[in-house]
Amino acid sequence: SQKIEQNSEALNIQEGKTATLTCNYTNYSPAYLQWYRQDPGRGPVFLLLIRENEKEKRKERLKVTFDTTLKQSLFHITASQPADSATYLCALVLSGGYQKVTFGTGTKLQVIP
Amino acid sequence: ETGVTQTPRHLVMGMTNKKSLKCEQHLGHNAMYWYKQSAKKPLELMFVYSLEERVENNSVPSRFSPECPNSSHLFLHLHTLQPEDSALYLCASSQGRTNTGELFFGEGSRLTVL
Repeated sequence: SQKIEQNSEALNIQEGKTATLTCNYTNYSPAYLQWYRQDPGRGPVFLLLIRENEKEKRKERLKVTFDTTLKQSLFHITASQPADSATYLCALVLSGGYQKVTFGTGTKLQVIP
Repeated sequence: ETGVTQTPRHLVMGMTNKKSLKCEQHLGHNAMYWYKQSAKKPLELMFVYSLEERVENNSVPSRFSPECPNSSHLFLHLHTLQPEDSALYLCASSQGRTNTGELFFGEGSRLTVL
């Protein structure tokens, strides 16, 4: 069966450290992999996208890697801040007549001052 | 004005009521989505409309009825719901076929079924 798993339900990290979140998937062949941020009571907000032929993507303090052999993506936040505390969602995009986006369960990140 | 607006933000209804959720997007996108988000579960894709045509219906019970009158508006009509239908219902839009699938979400409608 198809699965998208994010390594842990919750992750606590000290301010200033690098947070690393993991997304593993099985029985998918995604064209793209996306990461979203969701704050409590709000809709998810798109952060980054990485294509199947890309190994790494960066945006400010964020870095995403994509290994299609391992079927895994890593999402890093460097120099983490309390304002980075949120739930982070991994999503796979399957190409077709329209882009079907399927989400993982998310990892709740807490950055401790 | 936000890109995707959902109303109402909160809704409490009885199992025999009929209500509707509304979504409006101001981004010029041509695909719109309904997702359901329950605690401890991933976002579940319910319906997709591309160019106002329903292209995805993920085995959603018939008590949920979507409507897309034009590319900017999406409704979810609710009737005879069950308590397990209580969840956050999220509307999203995207540019459709030529896009990499980036979704723009509304703030959601929190539904409680008594």
